[in-house]
Amino acid sequence: KAGVTQTPRYLIKTRGQQVTLSCSPISGHRSVSWYQQTPGQGLQFLFEYFSETQRNKGNFPGRFSGRQFSNSRSEMNVSTLELGDSALYLCASSLGQGETDTQYFGPGTRLTVL
Amino acid sequence: AQSVAQPEDQVNVAEGNPLTVKCTYSVSGNPYLFWYVQYPNRGLQFLLKYITGDNLVKGSYGFEAEFNKSQTSFHLKKPSALVSDSALYFCAVRDETDSWGKFQFGAGTQVVVTP
Repeated sequence: KAGVTQTPRYLIKTRGQQVTLSCSPISGHRSVSWYQQTPGQGLQFLFEYFSETQRNKGNFPGRFSGRQFSNSRSEMNVSTLELGDSALYLCASSLGQGETDTQYFGPGTRLTVL
Repeated sequence: AQSVAQPEDQVNVAEGNPLTVKCTYSVSGNPYLFWYVQYPNRGLQFLLKYITGDNLVKGSYGFEAEFNKSQTSFHLKKPSALVSDSALYFCAVRDETDSWGKFQFGAGTQVVVTP
């Protein structure tokens, strides 16, 4: 099976712009979670989608939003970019059947905000 | 609320020596525990998980982890480290009482294996 794919792998944006990141989960996986990874804050949970519905949400401002399509592919959007949004954004997919599910991660999108 | 701690920012070990990466957790109910490894500029790779049953869990690449309920720990171990094991290791926990709860990750431990 193909793994989790994320596009693009690298992005450079300027403050105030908006950005959309894409994630394609492993075939058959219905849950997609998004994380932000920075050297200072580590891995922080953004949100999780299951069957096109946001099922869980972390403590991020409303500038961060996401959605999931009927084929389980997910997008994450960040509006009005700030310098502090520079990070590695990781997507993870799982079957979404319960707490024992393993999450499988994509390679990430490296976002740099100038 | 669930939490996980990795008390060591970095672990240094010589190739061929045993490797241990420590993890402790706090949850309300029974824990579900995971270990992941991250190589530079890559996503996280799943190593192993503990759900229930045998306290010693075997995973990928020769890694294993021991669940200790009384000490609320889930330390990752490898009997003989390789230079290629040098990477960032993350412990994560989920709580059985938190339906559809998110993973809580530790801060990560950098492992450096010297030849």
